[in-house]
Amino acid sequence: KAGVTQTPRYLIKTRGQQVTLSCSPISGHRSVSWYQQTPGQGLQFLFEYFSETQRNKGNFPGRFSGRQFSNSRSEMNVSTLELGDSALYLCASSLGLTYTDTQYFGPGTRLTVL
Amino acid sequence: GDSVTQMEGPVTLSEEAFLTINCTYTATGYPSLFWYVQYPGEGLQLLLKATKADDKGSNKGFEATYRKETTSFHLEKGSVQVSDSAVYFCALRLSSGNTGKLIFGQGTTLQVKP
Repeated sequence: KAGVTQTPRYLIKTRGQQVTLSCSPISGHRSVSWYQQTPGQGLQFLFEYFSETQRNKGNFPGRFSGRQFSNSRSEMNVSTLELGDSALYLCASSLGLTYTDTQYFGPGTRLTVL
Repeated sequence: GDSVTQMEGPVTLSEEAFLTINCTYTATGYPSLFWYVQYPGEGLQLLLKATKADDKGSNKGFEATYRKETTSFHLEKGSVQVSDSAVYFCALRLSSGNTGKLIFGQGTTLQVKP
C-alpha cells in the first residue's frame, strides 16, 4: 500500500506571496491532519479534515487554510507569507474513526520564505 | 492544558548501550500514547503505540509501557545501534472531542557512536 505523499518537497517563496501544498493520503484514509515543524516551536497542529470537512483547528492565524477533496486528498494554503512561516509542513493520514487510530506521516514539504 | 514533556537531549550513547528516553504527559481522560521517530530529512515514522493503561507497545527492539499512575510512557531499548540515531517524539491523542490532533513533546535527539 502506498504511503502518504506530499508535493512539492521543497519550496522557496518571498514574503507576501502565497503558497499551496498538497497531500495525498493512504488509500482508504478519510482523515488528513497538517502540522508545522520548526526548531523553535517544535511540532504544532494546524488543522484536520475528515470527509471534506474541517474537524479541528489549531492556533494559527487565518492566513493558514486548507481543504479536502472527495478523494481525500488535501491542500493547505498560506497567504501573505512571513519569514516565520519557514518550516517543514507535515501531513498525516488516518482512518479518522477513533482516537486510537494511528496517523501516518508523509515526508513533508520544506518551505523557505525569503 | 494537555501537554507532553520529554527529557532534553541530545542523548549520546555507545553502540550496544541501554537506552531510556523519558516521557510524561498531562491530559484529561485516557489518551492514546505514541512514539514517533524522525530520521534526517524525513517525515515522522510511527515506532510504537499504546492505547490504554498498562499496555506495552513494542517494535524493532523498542518498548514503552503506558503507566497511568505516573502519567508516563518511557521509551527503552536494550542495545542501541548506530542506525538508531534520530530524533524521537513522544505524542498523545486525547480520547475526547473526536479530534485527530496529536500533541507532541519537544523531541529528543539520540546519537549512537560506534
